[in-house]
Amino acid sequence: DVKVTQSSRYLVKRTGEKVFLECVQDMDHENMFWYRQDPGLGLRLIYFSYDVKMKEKGDIPEGYSVSREKKERFSLILESASTNQTSMYLCASFERTNEKLFFGSGTQLSVL
Amino acid sequence: KQEVTQIPAALSVPEGENLVLNCSFTDSAIYNLQWFRQDPGKGLTSLLLIQSSQREQTSGRLNASLDKSSGRSTLYIAASQPGDSATYLCAPTRGNTPLVFGKGTRLSVIA
Repeated sequence: DVKVTQSSRYLVKRTGEKVFLECVQDMDHENMFWYRQDPGLGLRLIYFSYDVKMKEKGDIPEGYSVSREKKERFSLILESASTNQTSMYLCASFERTNEKLFFGSGTQLSVL
Repeated sequence: KQEVTQIPAALSVPEGENLVLNCSFTDSAIYNLQWFRQDPGKGLTSLLLIQSSQREQTSGRLNASLDKSSGRSTLYIAASQPGDSATYLCAPTRGNTPLVFGKGTRLSVIA
């Protein structure tokens, strides 16, 4: 089965730090996504990518950027972390043939 | 823009009950629909993928149906168990377009 690996389960950072969240998938999928999940707000799309070096803004891209240098890796970058970016971050990879989405285990980020 | 609604937002049932979770979506021009389960503090696990040609999909005690014309899907859980306690989310798919999720139904099964 598809494996989507997020590098950290829990992360604690300080305000103003630059934060990198890494995501790797092992099934050669073109499409990858970053969501954040907050109580009462559900999953919100931050950025997505349809191929290497391609990126598209989602619904809430402000304060974030992404990098897709290799097909298997999609990184989310918080340029200058703020307390309102404390959240659960979820990476997903999409199998186009069956239109099936696979998630990583999530990274709970706390910005102090 | 696609909007997905899940009702109820929370549900508490005694062990052994059969239950139905509902998912509705505004844009019926979808291809498939996927149901997920999420345990607290964890990522989402895919439960069932219903392709529009199938209209229904079963896995063990779970059965999901899809009615595109009415913009609805249901997830039926038979003989519920405490281990079924989790949040269940649905997301319709449409080609390469990013999935839009409902806010989920938080299920508690009481022993």
